[in-house]
Amino acid sequence: EPEVTQTPSHQVTQMGQEVILRCVPISNHLYFYWYRQILGQKVEFLVSFYNNEISEKSEIFDDQFSVERPDGSNFTLKIRSTKLEDSAMYFCASRTGAPETQYFGPGTRLLVL
Amino acid sequence: AQRVTQPEKLLSVFKGAPVELKCNYSYSGSPELFWYVQYSRQRLQLLLRHISRESIKGFTADLNKGETSFHLKKPFAQEEDSAMYYCALKQSGSRLTFGEGTQLTVNP
Repeated sequence: EPEVTQTPSHQVTQMGQEVILRCVPISNHLYFYWYRQILGQKVEFLVSFYNNEISEKSEIFDDQFSVERPDGSNFTLKIRSTKLEDSAMYFCASRTGAPETQYFGPGTRLLVL
Repeated sequence: AQRVTQPEKLLSVFKGAPVELKCNYSYSGSPELFWYVQYSRQRLQLLLRHISRESIKGFTADLNKGETSFHLKKPFAQEEDSAMYYCALKQSGSRLTFGEGTQLTVNP
């Protein structure tokens, strides 16, 4: 059964550095998402992406964040200048048009020191 | 504002006992609700959607619009049901709003 994959599984970075988190959505899916979960808190929506543009974003998704689908398979989340509070588990998800079930990747644990 | 509440962070039951994980929501539109499960060190997986009205792994959930609830139930819990359970609400657009999650432990 196809699955969403994410790399790396863990990343440690220094505050102020740029990080790129990578996701490979399920191949026939059209809608892509990033969520994050700070330790001990709920899973929070960051952004959704469809037809090569952002369709929706949350208040968390400020100018420090960007997303891109550089080729036909990858979907990336870039954080330009990481802050301590960006430390979290970042989940990628994807879905087809219908049904609207989102399939999640295993997550990337980001630690900002 | 749209909100999902799971009042129990931890729930512990014995094998064979009934289990109910509570979920309440607030949403001004017509809600679409999901239960996701996360087994230890694994990804979030869809357990069931209210639209499907199906039973997965013996779990069912009924949307009660009057009480704005979508509680997850299973009549006889199994040890392999031990996991983190998240209730989620799909808002307009397609973003999911998650509850805080309930860690279910089924004791032998």
